[in-house]
Amino acid sequence: NAGVTQTPKFQVLKTGQSMTLQCAQDMNHEYMSWYRQDPGMGLRLIHYSVGAGITDQGEVPNGYNVSRSTTEDFPLRLLSAAPSQTSVYFCASSRDRSTNEKLFFGSGTQLSVL
Amino acid sequence: DAKTTQPTSMDCAEGRAANLPCNHSTISGNEYVYWYRQIHSQGPQYIIHGLKNNETNEMASLIITEDRKSSTLILPHATLRDTAVYYCIVRGQAAGNKLTFGGGTRVLVKP
Repeated sequence: NAGVTQTPKFQVLKTGQSMTLQCAQDMNHEYMSWYRQDPGMGLRLIHYSVGAGITDQGEVPNGYNVSRSTTEDFPLRLLSAAPSQTSVYFCASSRDRSTNEKLFFGSGTQLSVL
Repeated sequence: DAKTTQPTSMDCAEGRAANLPCNHSTISGNEYVYWYRQIHSQGPQYIIHGLKNNETNEMASLIITEDRKSSTLILPHATLRDTAVYYCIVRGQAAGNKLTFGGGTRVLVKP
């Protein structure tokens, strides 16, 4: 049982490049989400999904796309990377969207955009 | 979601109990209080959560006041590995059931 797995752990991009951050969970969780954490700040929600085929925007969705074709995977796509997207990205999942369900976080992807 | 207020930092002696306070005076009746911690730049780690009653698990205890406007996380016997940033979060049903992270309390456990 690996929990929430994120790849890659580190990535350097040039402005304008695209890439996909991968997130997979093996707990059969319905709810998955992406957060970003900037230096000295708390986490902010980018996008979330309450089940396969269903996604919605969080508080900072601009510049990011997501899809949820399977229960296990929730990739985050940067279509045209910008320096403002330099951050640490965390994927999280919970059994369902209930506020009584704890979120499990991955170990993060550190992204630098030059 | 209700906002939370925590001390910026605190020190604790190894082996002693660490009491971390949190104010959430605007909490709504259906919002849960969660505690997470983040060690260095790792992903946040769940500690405990509660609605009204006090809660205890293998990691910590959570004491919620009767009016629910504040809470205290208790680490009963702090170890050096408990050095981390501790986040008190109120989780509601708004906007994706997100966790709204504040600045947290940086806890340093000293030998």
